[in-house]
Amino acid sequence: AQSVTQLGSHVSVSEGALVLLRCNYSSSVPPYLFWYVQYPNQGLQLLLKYTTGATLVKGINGFEAEFKKSETSFHLTKPSAHMSDAAEYFCAVTEAAAGTASKLTFGTGTRLQVTL
Amino acid sequence: GAVVSQHPSRVICKSGTSVKIECRSLDFQATTMFWYRQFPKKSLMLMATSNEGSKATYEQGVEKDKFLINHASLTLSTLTVTSAHPEDSSFYICSAPPPGLAGREQFFGPGTRLTVL
Repeated sequence: AQSVTQLGSHVSVSEGALVLLRCNYSSSVPPYLFWYVQYPNQGLQLLLKYTTGATLVKGINGFEAEFKKSETSFHLTKPSAHMSDAAEYFCAVTEAAAGTASKLTFGTGTRLQVTL
Repeated sequence: GAVVSQHPSRVICKSGTSVKIECRSLDFQATTMFWYRQFPKKSLMLMATSNEGSKATYEQGVEKDKFLINHASLTLSTLTVTSAHPEDSSFYICSAPPPGLAGREQFFGPGTRLTVL
């Protein structure tokens, strides 16, 4: 079974400050890990993903995340927050099963607020 | 990237009526699609896996007679909320993994806001 824990349902940062959103996962097999962003009344947009290879992955809008197997973590960071980053962020995991469409398991989400 | 659409984006209906929500993959074929439900300020809850040419697989606790899923073609899955009640009001989102990316990322539709009066 797989699960995702996002610490902090609400994070507030000042514009220009570092963004750090935490995600820890549990998976019985090598995981694929994702970060999605959701703006109000919209679907989810993929920010970045880790499948295999390099553990530091870069995504859109200046976000990046590092897969740390020893810590079972996949924290999302951005060096400098922008007002447009205010949204809901979801970490998700799926099991790396080739050839089949695997279910995504989502964390509970973190709402990012960016203040002036 | 791959595009998934949903229709309608918003629907308001009276209690007791049925509502159909469509999910389409616009530029790829999807043998599998997923249906999620999202309550206000909550995460996405997987309701069911829609399989083209076969019955949908429902998650535990989801009433299959209440939420009818039909995967009519490789680009279309529909979710019908039958005899809707106010507690069915929610944001429904579908997703589909493009071929070649099985088990990896999924592309999400924009969601459908259902309000049952």
